[in-house]
Amino acid sequence: GAGVSQSPSNKVTEKGKDVELRCDPISGHTALYWYRQSLGQGLEFLIYFQGNSAPDKSGLPSDRFSAERTGGSVSTLTIQRTQQEDSAVYLCASSSQGGVNTEAFFGQGTRLTVV
Amino acid sequence: KQEVTQIPAALSVPEGENLVLNCSFTDSAIYNLQWFRQDPGKGLTSLLLIQSSQREQTSGRLNASLDKSSGRSTLYIAASQPGDSATYLCAVYSGGGADGLTFGKGTHLIIQP
Repeated sequence: GAGVSQSPSNKVTEKGKDVELRCDPISGHTALYWYRQSLGQGLEFLIYFQGNSAPDKSGLPSDRFSAERTGGSVSTLTIQRTQQEDSAVYLCASSSQGGVNTEAFFGQGTRLTVV
Repeated sequence: KQEVTQIPAALSVPEGENLVLNCSFTDSAIYNLQWFRQDPGKGLTSLLLIQSSQREQTSGRLNASLDKSSGRSTLYIAASQPGDSATYLCAVYSGGGADGLTFGKGTHLIIQP
């Protein structure tokens, strides 16, 4: 596609439910990042994928968070047993090589509200 | 650990003024620095990317400078317009992939018509 696409754009879920957030990066981009932006806070790095390599998950805030990237393209961020503090905007970005000398392009984000 | 600070946190100026947004980072060993714009409820739009070997980049009314050794970058906006109102974010990439881009908390800019 022309840009990074995220779905859904908004998600309201009940505390304790699982949610899946989807990111479709720019075609041909090998690097994919997930970030979280809480109200009044900066962007918090969550996870990074480079091609088909194993991701570094050290930024994930708890073991309730997981992410996968199928075929080096589409990525899904899963949050299990959601808590109210998980409410935030989840942003996905992709770049052609993965950081060095390349520009990161962001999607519009998924606004998650846990009630 | 890399830390990025943006000053001021908020800025309100009349239309037509030139203005400067500041970004500083603690570890000068960066590969690049990127300025983004974020409109309310929206994602991030990339404005300018400066490689570590570069001193500045220009796009239209925007000019970004980088002083890597002192850990500073500025974003200069000329002849500001109400449409420039947004939050401006600075981010540095320090390599390694695991840390991704490290972001500042942004400068919330309001241009008064």
